Amino acid sequence: QSVLTQPPSASGTPGQRVTISCSGSSSNIGSNTVNWYQQLPGTAPKLLIHSNNQRPSGVPDRLSGSKSGTSASLAISGLQSEDEADYYCAAWDDSLNGPVFGGGTKLTVL
Amino acid sequence: EVQLVESGGGLVQPGGSLRLSCAASGFTFSSYWMSWVRQAPGKGLEWVANIKQDGGEKYYVDSLKGRFTISRDNGKNSLYLQMNSLRAEDTAVYYCARTHTWWLRSVGYHYYMDVWGKGTTVTVSS
Repeated sequence: QSVLTQPPSASGTPGQRVTISCSGSSSNIGSNTVNWYQQLPGTAPKLLIHSNNQRPSGVPDRLSGSKSGTSASLAISGLQSEDEADYYCAAWDDSLNGPVFGGGTKLTVL
Repeated sequence: EVQLVESGGGLVQPGGSLRLSCAASGFTFSSYWMSWVRQAPGKGLEWVANIKQDGGEKYYVDSLKGRFTISRDNGKNSLYLQMNSLRAEDTAVYYCARTHTWWLRSVGYHYYMDVWGKGTTVTVSS
């Protein structure tokens, strides 16, 4: 059971906008920043969003992150086939004194 | 090119030990915190441990304390994970990752990993 809660799956058609939610608590998302990682099949995770809404260099601006209270979300607009992957949210947890991850959301592009 | 390359994984019997290594290149290794993250087959990501730039601070996930030890050699640009008393549930791909962490009163902890290796597979089985 992961500390952060994500829906196990999400889907959309090419060109659509999809959002992936991440729910936590006051000890993690509620008091620290949120990050998002993408993991393509058989590869290592890749940082997509850090500090709630900051995109590292090279990450397209059709990806965006937001946070409100103890929840966060990742939005992907203009969905493309190459977006099909697993997505993980993460945040520092003050109670556990370490970073925690969501269980991951498998995004399918129909 | 910024790169992390893990090695040292393999098949080990329950109760055995393994030492993972992570070779860093393309950046000033000694300037960064470093982390180990693992992923069991078909499962999500789990943070294992991290270590400060000078090795003076080390932290572990509670469930692993006492069995795993993280260390680094800045002269060799290398990160290590010594794993003892291995169990079947330690079977996973182990990733090393460059880590950014700081705290601001206004927003709390920033903690993220921006460079990841491709991982090394550890299988614990008899």
